[in-house]
Amino acid sequence: QQPVQSPQAVILREGEDAVINCSSSKALYSVHWYRQKHGEAPVFLMILLKGGEQKGHEKISASFNEKKQQSSLYLTASQLSYSGTYFCGTERETSGSRLTFGEGTQLTVNP
Amino acid sequence: KAGVTQTPRYLIKTRGQQVTLSCSPISGHRSVSWYQQTPGQGLQFLFEYFSETQRNKGNFPGRFSGRQFSNSRSEMNVSTLELGDSALYLCASTPLAGGSYEQYFGPGTRLTVT
Repeated sequence: QQPVQSPQAVILREGEDAVINCSSSKALYSVHWYRQKHGEAPVFLMILLKGGEQKGHEKISASFNEKKQQSSLYLTASQLSYSGTYFCGTERETSGSRLTFGEGTQLTVNP
Repeated sequence: KAGVTQTPRYLIKTRGQQVTLSCSPISGHRSVSWYQQTPGQGLQFLFEYFSETQRNKGNFPGRFSGRQFSNSRSEMNVSTLELGDSALYLCASTPLAGGSYEQYFGPGTRLTVT
């Protein structure tokens, strides 16, 4: 079952903050976050694992609420380079390593 | 280290034909996953291969198949192409199987079915 991302789109001015959410109705083992720019491949940002372990880029911040099966990606002091579509991919405990991706959140950062 | 490579990058086929796409993972990576990306459906998981074995399969018809070779390179095949198969096909590699590894995506193969 596909996770639900919100918002679907957000427009920021450079320096502003944003939060992107990802929710699942199923128990999750991990949540992945990727950013994709137009015409390019998705690029890894962060993995959050059940139990609290996180792996990712230092400048990226995210959380995983295991009780709510919800993850949030925090983009602070946004830069123009942050523009793109952000996808969360969820791995259920019973699905092996199969990732199910949300529909994406389109982020636009303007000068 | 070279990234994930996919060939060809662009492909135009006619309905009813078949197509084979290739993916070479990052050196040392043994797991390869395939995804279909379309504007309407987003990123959808096709299948995952690890050590030449299919570990996981998405909800796609049997026309979609894949395989992995001993050098970890992977191919996917789509037979009897339909217009709805037009999409960007992405492959991603990880060192080992399992969801605790970041996926490195290739640039994709843009398939257009006419």
